[in-house]
Amino acid sequence: GQQVKQSSPSLTVQEGGILILNCDYENDMFDYFAWYKKYPDNSPTLLISVRSNVDKREDGRFTVFLNKSGKHFSLHITASQPEDTAVYLCAAGASGNNRIFFGDGTQLVVKP
Amino acid sequence: DPKIIQKPKYLVAVTGSEKILICEQYLGHNAMYWYRQSAKKPLEFMFSYSYQKLMDNQTASSRFQPQSSKKNHLDLQITALKPDDSATYFCASSQGTPSAETLYFGSGTRLTVL
Repeated sequence: GQQVKQSSPSLTVQEGGILILNCDYENDMFDYFAWYKKYPDNSPTLLISVRSNVDKREDGRFTVFLNKSGKHFSLHITASQPEDTAVYLCAAGASGNNRIFFGDGTQLVVKP
Repeated sequence: DPKIIQKPKYLVAVTGSEKILICEQYLGHNAMYWYRQSAKKPLEFMFSYSYQKLMDNQTASSRFQPQSSKKNHLDLQITALKPDDSATYFCASSQGTPSAETLYFGSGTRLTVL
């Protein structure tokens, strides 16, 4: 089965709003969690990541929250901007493992 | 300038033919990977190489063969192409394991098999 799942295929918000993207995972061994951003016809790029020894990491307008007991992590974006419009991919992996598992992606649209 | 170069960007092939997808990275990374994204499927891991040696293989079919002629090259040869092989193939690299170091992706090769 799919190791990492994103429940929302799409999300539309108004500029300036706060939004939350969610991701669930299956594997208890995962200790690395990340969000990638992808523009159309472009490559995924790392936005923010967190290791399992912390439950939160903040970088500017972007914050990752990790809930290990619930096998869930989320990306919070504050003061959303039209430039945030993209596909957001959640990803997870285990230490020492070469594989990173990705979710299906959430298409975010921020309306001006 | 792009640091991971994939060629070609678009590729159309007929069923049964063979194609090679090219990947070169100029980040000085030791590890390189291939991922695939088919329609309505997530980005999926295919292969990982470290110092030009195969480390991990998730692809069941032997029709997919990575080739590393140089440390910063990891090409993907696909033989006996099928329509189900149609996908965007992404090359990636990292300095160490991708759970410890950032994984960087190329812009992808979009393969269509008719």
